[in-house]
Amino acid sequence: DIQMTQSPSTLSAFVGDRVTITCRASQSISKWLAWYQQKPGKAPKLLIYKASILESGVPSRFSGSGSGTEFTLTISRLQPDDFATYHCQQYDSFPSSFGQGTKLEIK
Amino acid sequence: QVQLKESGPRLVKPSEALSLTCSVSGSSISTGVHYWGWIRQSPGKGLEWIGSMFHSGSTYYNLSLKSRVTISMDTSKNQFSLRLSSVTAADTAVYYCARTRPGVVPETPFFDPWGQGTLVTVSS
Repeated sequence: DIQMTQSPSTLSAFVGDRVTITCRASQSISKWLAWYQQKPGKAPKLLIYKASILESGVPSRFSGSGSGTEFTLTISRLQPDDFATYHCQQYDSFPSSFGQGTKLEIK
Repeated sequence: QVQLKESGPRLVKPSEALSLTCSVSGSSISTGVHYWGWIRQSPGKGLEWIGSMFHSGSTYYNLSLKSRVTISMDTSKNQFSLRLSSVTAADTAVYYCARTRPGVVPETPFFDPWGQGTLVTVSS
């Protein structure tokens, strides 16, 4: 199975900051990567798929990049609503698998 | 818009079977191109895909759970269900149902939207 590793596990930032979360795959997954946002007690919400395609309705301050084994999710100017946990998911190889999550906290 | 909601017992005894149902509104599970699936989230293991099913009857299961998992559909009720047998404390998790979106192949999807999730605790 492909292992997905996110870094950092926790990230503290101010409103207005630019932040980047990294997701690494244990083998190449081309661009078959999705990012989700999850708030406490809520289900994950799809933000980005195929590494860089923004889901409809997701603010443009979110962006994704990468291919192969290294991917990033960037939030250009943090808003209060963005403080949440972010998960990556590879869907290149069976079974699809998730990273352990990155908790974005307000500083 | 498509909405999903999980229902079922919140407490299951060890060695018994866990059964959950997902009710879907805003989309028919018996038509279209989407699979419908289950994912769980436990503190120790993060998010884990359990399995997915298509209205044709085609199913895909995570091999780590395959011997214990069955996903089925009741198209007349627009619902699909999860059964996980012989549960242990390690199966305690929040269980989500979700519509899948196609990835490289049907057995490797991503998920949107998700149900709200339901916590199932395995304990005597």
